[in-house]
Formats: sequence, structure tokens, C-alpha cells
Amino acid sequence: DAGVIQSPRHEVTEMGQEVTLRCKPISGHNSLFWYRQTMMRGLELLIYFNNNVPIDDSGMPEDRFSAKMPNASFSTLKIQPSEPRDSAVYFCASSLVQGGAGELFFGEGSRLTVL
Amino acid sequence: GENVEQHPSTLSVQEGDSAVIKCTYSDSASNYFPWYKQELGKGPQLIIDIRSNVGEKKDQRIAVTLNKTAKHFSLHITETQPEDSAVYFCAATYTGNQFYFGTGTSLTVIP
Repeated sequence: DAGVIQSPRHEVTEMGQEVTLRCKPISGHNSLFWYRQTMMRGLELLIYFNNNVPIDDSGMPEDRFSAKMPNASFSTLKIQPSEPRDSAVYFCASSLVQGGAGELFFGEGSRLTVL
Repeated sequence: GENVEQHPSTLSVQEGDSAVIKCTYSDSASNYFPWYKQELGKGPQLIIDIRSNVGEKKDQRIAVTLNKTAKHFSLHITETQPEDSAVYFCAATYTGNQFYFGTGTSLTVIP
């Protein structure tokens, strides 16, 4: 299996622009998580989905952030408009929950820089 | 909700020595405790995990211990090597819940 695939790996944009990050989870996994990682705050959960349904989005910083999972093999995280404080590495992770919590598989991350 | 605390935040050891990282959690419902290793520029990767029905698990030079009564679990790395240098995260969760991560430990193994 190719693992969790994220794109783009690097994104540099200007303040006010829209940013869309993409994630393809591991086939067959039924949970998907979006995390943000910064030096100051560590790994923060933004939102997670079970069977394509958003379960907890309390970590989404504000209305500028939105996430969708239209099907089991694709998810997006959108920031509109972007701000310099959104600069971070964004990770997508997927997991198979079957009879108990299972291993979380992370993608390589999308490094976002907002100028 | 769950609160996971991790110590120390940084750790330096001589090659060949042991390293121990400790985590505590607050939610007694948590029953799955994974440890992740993150190398520079990469996503975290699972190195070992433990479920609440066991007290210890070993995998070569890595071991994890769990004390459910005290709500703490620890990662032990023996005979450390330079390639063990990375950031290590503990986490706690239960079925269908989110993963609560510790703040990370930056381990440096000095050759």
C-alpha cells in the first residue's frame, strides 16, 4: 500500500489567498484525521471523520478553516482567507477502527507558509 | 476530555545508554496507548503500542510499560543508537475517539 498521500508537500502563498490541502487515506481505513503541527503548540487535532462523517471539529481554529470528506478515499482541508499565523505543517492520518482503536498512519505532511 | 502529559521535553543520552520517556493520562476510559517517532521532515510513525489489558510489551530494544491504576505509561529504549535521535510522542485513546498526543520529547543520542 502507498500509505497516506498528501498534496501539496510544500505550499507558499500570500496572505488572503485560498489554500487547499488534499489527502488520500489508506484504502479500507474508516477514520481520517487532520492535524496541525507547530513548534509552539505541538500536534493539534483540527477535525476527524468516521466513515466520512465529521465527528469532532472543535479543533478547527475559526470559520476560515473547513474540511470535507466527500468519499472514503479523499479529503480536503481548506483555509480561506489564509493568514501568516496559519503557517505550519498539516498532517493527514487514517486509521482502521475495527473492534478497538487501531494504529494511526500519518502522511508526510503539507508544509504551508503564508507570507 | 483526555489530557496527556509527557516528560521530559528534551533528552540527551550517550550512545549505548538507555532512554526513558514518561506520560500520564487522565481519562480512565482510554485503553490504547501508542508511541510515535517523528524524524525530521517526516510524519510520525508508530514504533510500539500497548493496550490496557497488558502491563508491558517489548520489541527488540524498545519496551513500553503501562500502569492503569496510576494512569501512566513509559517508553524505554535500551542500547541507544544515533538513529534513535528523533522526536517521540505518546498518545492515549479508546475506540472511536480521537488520539490525544503528548507534547513530544526530543531525543538526542550522542555518538
